[in-house]
Amino acid sequence: KAGVTQTPRYLIKTRGQQVTLSCSPISGHRSVSWYQQTPGQGLQFLFEYFSETQRNKGNFPGRFSGRQFSNSRSEMNVSTLELGDSALYLCASSLAGAGGSYTFGSGTRLTVV
Amino acid sequence: DAKTTQPNSMESNEEEPVHLPCNHSTISGTDYIHWYRQLPSQGPEYVIHGLTSNVNNRMASLAIAEDRKSSTLILHRATLRDAAVYYCILRGGSNYKLTFGKGTLLTVNP
Repeated sequence: KAGVTQTPRYLIKTRGQQVTLSCSPISGHRSVSWYQQTPGQGLQFLFEYFSETQRNKGNFPGRFSGRQFSNSRSEMNVSTLELGDSALYLCASSLAGAGGSYTFGSGTRLTVV
Repeated sequence: DAKTTQPNSMESNEEEPVHLPCNHSTISGTDYIHWYRQLPSQGPEYVIHGLTSNVNNRMASLAIAEDRKSSTLILHRATLRDAAVYYCILRGGSNYKLTFGKGTLLTVNP
């Protein structure tokens, strides 16, 4: 079966711009989470969606937002990009959430210049 | 979130067993013990998880101490493809996120 698909794989943006990243979960998975990975901070949780509702949110500024559509696909948006937003953004999907395992995508590498 | 402690790095030889330890002394009764690994340039990959009993799957085994304050991920025969960062994570019953620590960098020597 198809895995978690993230697009695009690579992105270069300029400070001040905004960006939208996309994630298609495994078919049947209704929970989608987003993580940011940087060399300094490691993997950090951004937010989690289930049935189009945000259930949990990490400690990131309001510039980071997300949404989930009725087909479980999810997008995350970062506005007013800063150099420190350069990171690997990972999406993970799960059947229902708590207790079960997550399947991660390969990520979107965002570079802010 | 309950905290886990893992060694920063470990080294193994190919085709030998590897035991990756994890301490989680503040684990609560509803916390599952999850293991993920991350190969270079890839997203994390689920390895195994358990609650109280030892667990086996095609990738690895998970041995959980009787008091659940520690666990060990066992790779029965390490291969070069097992070289990765291994993360031990506690996940509660109503916790919809994974809290990653720094993990253990496993090096496998040919």
